[in-house]
Amino acid sequence: NAGVTQTPKFRVLKTGQSMTLLCAQDMNHEYMYWYRQDPGMGLRLIHYSVGEGTTAKGEVPDGYNVSRLKKQNFLLGLESAAPSQTSVYFCASNLQGITEAFFGQGTRLTVV
Amino acid sequence: EDQVTQSPEALRLQEGESSSLNCSYTVSGLRGLFWYRQDPGKGPEFLFTLYSAGEEKEKERLKATITKKESFLHITAPKPEDSATYLCAVQGASSSGYALNFGKGTSLLVTP
Repeated sequence: NAGVTQTPKFRVLKTGQSMTLLCAQDMNHEYMYWYRQDPGMGLRLIHYSVGEGTTAKGEVPDGYNVSRLKKQNFLLGLESAAPSQTSVYFCASNLQGITEAFFGQGTRLTVV
Repeated sequence: EDQVTQSPEALRLQEGESSSLNCSYTVSGLRGLFWYRQDPGKGPEFLFTLYSAGEEKEKERLKATITKKESFLHITAPKPEDSATYLCAVQGASSSGYALNFGKGTSLLVTP
């Protein structure tokens, strides 16, 4: 039982390049989330999904897109990376309702 | 809008020196208050969920309590392995798909 797995763990992009971060969970969770964590800012919600085929915007969605084609996977895309998107990205999932969220190990992204 | 404020930002303790971390919150319709531990380079790890004022949860040297405005994480006789960043988060009635709204965390260092 791997829980929540994020790939890649590290990535360096040049400004304007695109990439996709993959999140996979094996707990059959309905809800999935993408957060970013920046020094002094805490964790902020980017996008979330309440089930397969659904996505919605969180607190800081600009510059990102997401897709949830399969229940176990939640993809975060950056179409044209900017230095302001340098951050650590965390994926999380929970079953439903008021239950704890399980987090992946994070992806450290640097945009130069 | 839900708000979570944690204090202090950083705390240094001697091994065996008990203390408390504070989490002040404002939320519209609290569903749950969550405590997480985060080690450097790792994702947040779930510790406790508290649902209503007066509730208490314990795990080893940690005890979490909650009032209508605050939650405390009490650390009794800490050991160096308790060193980590402790995150507080709330889930309110207006939360996006049961997403968590995080504070900025308290960085705890326990020295031998």
